[in-house]
Amino acid sequence: AQKITQTQPGMFVQEKEAVTLDCTYDTSDPSYGLFWYKQPSSGEMIFLIYQGSYDQQNATEGRYSLNFQKARKSANLVISASQLGDSAMYFCAMREGRRTGNQFYFGTGTSLTVIP
Amino acid sequence: GAGVSQSPSNKVTEKGKDVELRCDPISGHTALYWYRQSLGQGLEFLIYFQGNSAPDKSGLPSDRFSAERTGGSVSTLTIQRTQQEDSAVYLCASSLWAGQGNNEQFFGPGTRLTVL
Repeated sequence: AQKITQTQPGMFVQEKEAVTLDCTYDTSDPSYGLFWYKQPSSGEMIFLIYQGSYDQQNATEGRYSLNFQKARKSANLVISASQLGDSAMYFCAMREGRRTGNQFYFGTGTSLTVIP
Repeated sequence: GAGVSQSPSNKVTEKGKDVELRCDPISGHTALYWYRQSLGQGLEFLIYFQGNSAPDKSGLPSDRFSAERTGGSVSTLTIQRTQQEDSAVYLCASSLWAGQGNNEQFFGPGTRLTVL
């Protein structure tokens, strides 16, 4: 089974609108971390936001927030007030803390295009 | 240095040749990861190092791939007898530690390997 599933290969959003990028994960480890990264066309991977499995609150970082639904094993990224510079690939990742010695698993990514 | 550096940035080689890819992590980071990203795909985990512990080599695709980390800092990924399917961007990342919590990975710019 896939550890991280991103079902949206491509998404479009109007500038200044909000967009949700989906991510579901699969683990039986009670302790894990969830990460979102952005990869612009230039290729660098940029860390956006982190959610720990024991965190009670949804993580927020500026215009990014993580909609963490533990029972559903989903960790969707919400980008508010989209900007043209948000056009990029977005990867969801998970680290399992105990079972696999801190290996990271990445999804296949979602390509986001912001339309002016 | 300020960030993770990788060299070379681009490498073109002939099928059957050996190549070495280098990664300089952020000073003080004890965890180092290698990933492979094929065109338009997500990140494929290859190997990770944590301090002086034995590396997790579970992601290496074949015995043609090997990696070392000398002195707990610089790492070299070696691919022997390269094949055309080895063509990809090889990304290195480091993190402060590989334990619980927000141990975000900082990525290098990658090495684009092309096997002719």
